[in-house]
Amino acid sequence: EPEVTQTPSHQVTQMGQEVILRCVPISNHLYFYWYRQILGQKVEFLVSFYNNEISEKSEIFDDQFSVERPDGSNFTLKIRSTKLEDSAMYFCASSDVGGSYGYTFGSGTRLTVV
Amino acid sequence: GEDVEQSLFLSVREGDSSVINCTYTDSSSTYLYWYKQEPGAGLQLLTYIFSNMDMKQDQRLTVLLNKKDKHLSLRIADTQTGDSAIYFCAESIGGNKLVFGAGTILRVKS
Repeated sequence: EPEVTQTPSHQVTQMGQEVILRCVPISNHLYFYWYRQILGQKVEFLVSFYNNEISEKSEIFDDQFSVERPDGSNFTLKIRSTKLEDSAMYFCASSDVGGSYGYTFGSGTRLTVV
Repeated sequence: GEDVEQSLFLSVREGDSSVINCTYTDSSSTYLYWYKQEPGAGLQLLTYIFSNMDMKQDQRLTVLLNKKDKHLSLRIADTQTGDSAIYFCAESIGGNKLVFGAGTILRVKS
């Protein structure tokens, strides 16, 4: 069964450092997403991406965040200057047209900012 | 507004049925989903229902949707210890993002 792959599974970084979280979505999906889950809290939407541009973003997705699809397979989330409160599990997801058959999530990257 | 509410915890005995409930607020949601998250793992899509349906059955899983009350439930028949996990209800907003509930911890006692 097709999978969404995320790397690394766990990343520890110092406050103020830049991090890049990587994702390989399902190959025939057109919509890509990032979500995050702070420990013990809800899964929160960050951003959706379609046709090489952001289609929607949440209030959380401020200027410190950016996304990119640098080639035909990878989808990345960059946090420019990490803060302690960025510590969370970050999930990448992809879907077919409009998510009508469900969104497939990766296993997540646990980001710990120290 | 966009909000999804779930009960936080459910404990059942192995072999019993489990019913996890969810309420949502956005009446324009086209799809509603149930995801399962095991410890340390990602979000696994269990099932989904289109908003014009009342019920969907998939093996041991039954989803009931009351669109008037904006109430969604997931019934797991013959619950097994392997079903112990966190179950998230989610609604699709504008076909562009999911809004999740806080998750229901299902504990299955043998």
